Amino acid sequence: EVQLVESGGDLVQPGGSLRLSCAASGFNFTRYWMSWVRQAPGKGLEWVAIVNQDGREKYYVDSVKGRFTISRDNAKNSLFLQVDRLRAEDTAVYYCARGVFFDHWGQGNVVTVSS
Amino acid sequence: EIVMTQSPATLSVSPGESATLSCRASQSIDTNLAWYQQRPGQAPRFFIFGASTRATGIPARFSGGGSGTEFTLTISSLQSEDSAVYYCQQYNKWPLTFGGGTKVEIK
Repeated sequence: EVQLVESGGDLVQPGGSLRLSCAASGFNFTRYWMSWVRQAPGKGLEWVAIVNQDGREKYYVDSVKGRFTISRDNAKNSLFLQVDRLRAEDTAVYYCARGVFFDHWGQGNVVTVSS
Repeated sequence: EIVMTQSPATLSVSPGESATLSCRASQSIDTNLAWYQQRPGQAPRFFIFGASTRATGIPARFSGGGSGTEFTLTISSLQSEDSAVYYCQQYNKWPLTFGGGTKVEIK
């Protein structure tokens, strides 16, 4: 069974940083692109970032470029999102998802940016 | 950026009836379109890829269609558990983008 389990969400002040993690199991992690998708309270889904199988190719939504960094550790079947210079508008549930279309999702992790 | 526009925003349908949700892309995306269902308080669930191919376990009463810029998701014989928000997503070009969602309510 495919499982994606996120962790690392927290309440953080504007300008602060967090590192989100996603532990993957039940599939060959090295064969898939992996993404982060977020959902602000009461809003729709927004794709945030994606990384290819070997970690060398990365893409981001414009609003997070230069502030967020996606990475992966294939030896540990793990996906990461380093989020820096956080803003109030980054407040959201952050989901780890498999692929370029998202056939499996984690349960979500809450990031709240507030003073 | 490819803008995805979904309509209507809300659809209210009686049990047993059918519902058609629309998704329009601001430029051609061939058939690189996926659909998701999200119930309140839950993570999204993958439903359709390639515009018309159902994911494993998705009932046949859900059907997707279209290509280029115009797409539909049809739910036939609506059931109470189909009450949810449905999102389309294009994966033809970076950045990946979602539509704003259509909320399906059961009367």
